[in-house]
Amino acid sequence: AQSVTQLGSHVSVSEGALVLLRCNYSSSVPPYLFWYVQYPNQGLQLLLKYTTGATLVKGINGFEAEFKKSETSFHLTKPSAHMSDAAEYFCAVSDSFGNEKLTFGTGTRLTIIP
Amino acid sequence: KAGVTQTPRYLIKTRGQQVTLSCSPISGHRSVSWYQQTPGQGLQFLFEYFSETQRNKGNFPGRFSGRQFSNSRSEMNVSTLELGDSALYLCASSPNPSGTGNSPLHFGNGTRLTVT
Repeated sequence: AQSVTQLGSHVSVSEGALVLLRCNYSSSVPPYLFWYVQYPNQGLQLLLKYTTGATLVKGINGFEAEFKKSETSFHLTKPSAHMSDAAEYFCAVSDSFGNEKLTFGTGTRLTIIP
Repeated sequence: KAGVTQTPRYLIKTRGQQVTLSCSPISGHRSVSWYQQTPGQGLQFLFEYFSETQRNKGNFPGRFSGRQFSNSRSEMNVSTLELGDSALYLCASSPNPSGTGNSPLHFGNGTRLTVT
């Protein structure tokens, strides 16, 4: 069984400041990890994913995430926030054997302060 | 390539009625998953179909059902609607079964169902 915990349902940062959204996972097998973004009245869009290989993953819109097995974490970061980053962000986990459905965290709503 | 298409975008129904939602996946994608999204519960997995077979099912009552056709299009049906069924229903497709690494989910914009 797998689970995802996103710390902080709401995060506010100033425009130009560092964005850090936290995600911790639980999985009994090697995980595949994903970050999705959802803008109002839209579906989810894939930001980035970790499957195997390099633990620092770069995604779209300047976001990146680092897989840390020892900490069971997959935090999402962006060096400088833009107003257009305001959205809800979801971390998700699946197992590397393809036996489990994709499990999502409860989401973090990111607000950008001008 | 066209994205995942869900119809209709908005739907208003009365308690006790039934509803059918439709999802057309990206061309070539054989897996379709359905999620219910509500402010209180977040994203909850309903079921996944792959090559017309239900592959996984979430913890929803039997009122929620689905099917997939030979062209990979999928429908979801909810019978005897309750107020608590009001939600955004999201469909997602992928080339291979959900969760198999290099096949992330591609989501549609959802169908917003309101039950009055």
